[in-house]
Amino acid sequence: GENVEQHPSTLSVQEGDSAVIKCTYSDSASNYFPWYKQELGKRPQLIIDIRSNVGEKKDQRIAVTLNKTAKHFSLHITETQPEDSAVYFCAENFGNEKLTFGTGTRLTIIP
Amino acid sequence: ETGVTQTPRHLVMGMTNKKSLKCEQHLGHNAMYWYKQSAKKPLELMFVYSLEERVENNSVPSRFSPECPNSSHLFLHLHTLQPEDSALYLCASSQDRNSGELFFGEGSRLTVL
Repeated sequence: GENVEQHPSTLSVQEGDSAVIKCTYSDSASNYFPWYKQELGKRPQLIIDIRSNVGEKKDQRIAVTLNKTAKHFSLHITETQPEDSAVYFCAENFGNEKLTFGTGTRLTIIP
Repeated sequence: ETGVTQTPRHLVMGMTNKKSLKCEQHLGHNAMYWYKQSAKKPLELMFVYSLEERVENNSVPSRFSPECPNSSHLFLHLHTLQPEDSALYLCASSQDRNSGELFFGEGSRLTVL
């Protein structure tokens, strides 16, 4: 993939509410879309990923949706908790080792 | 120790210095990566090694020189850097070059004076 746009760059959410982060990509051949979470001073860690043959994937409070026609995918976090505060990065690639990352979203959960 | 470890965690160097960053993975993975993380910019892929062979050099200046002596170790040799090279340098590994999930180290915070 060549380009990934991620929005918003910052997001503040009341504890217990939902958070949604959206990424758009340009390469229609992209087929793998992971999301990474990076807590302050820590390493990025994969939290969920989706491949292009499915439209939605869920893991407890987090879910990712993919719209291949519109070339966008979103991260949904429900019932947010303070430990969800972090920077979240989307990424995409088309089967090679070159993941293209978004610029990140700083999520703050307000107690 | 498990996972991906990087040393040093912090490094301050002058523009004329020569230093090296070290990465070690204990996961039995076959691919290793160097990424550069700067404020408000996407993670930038610098180098990819698969089975100790360099498979990607993403237009990185020659003042950055990678070395992969075996599948568990990766180095980034630094010389005559510029202040704009100050960033967090992240090492990562994956099972194979196309396997998807990256396992990152904690990073080496580099400051070039």
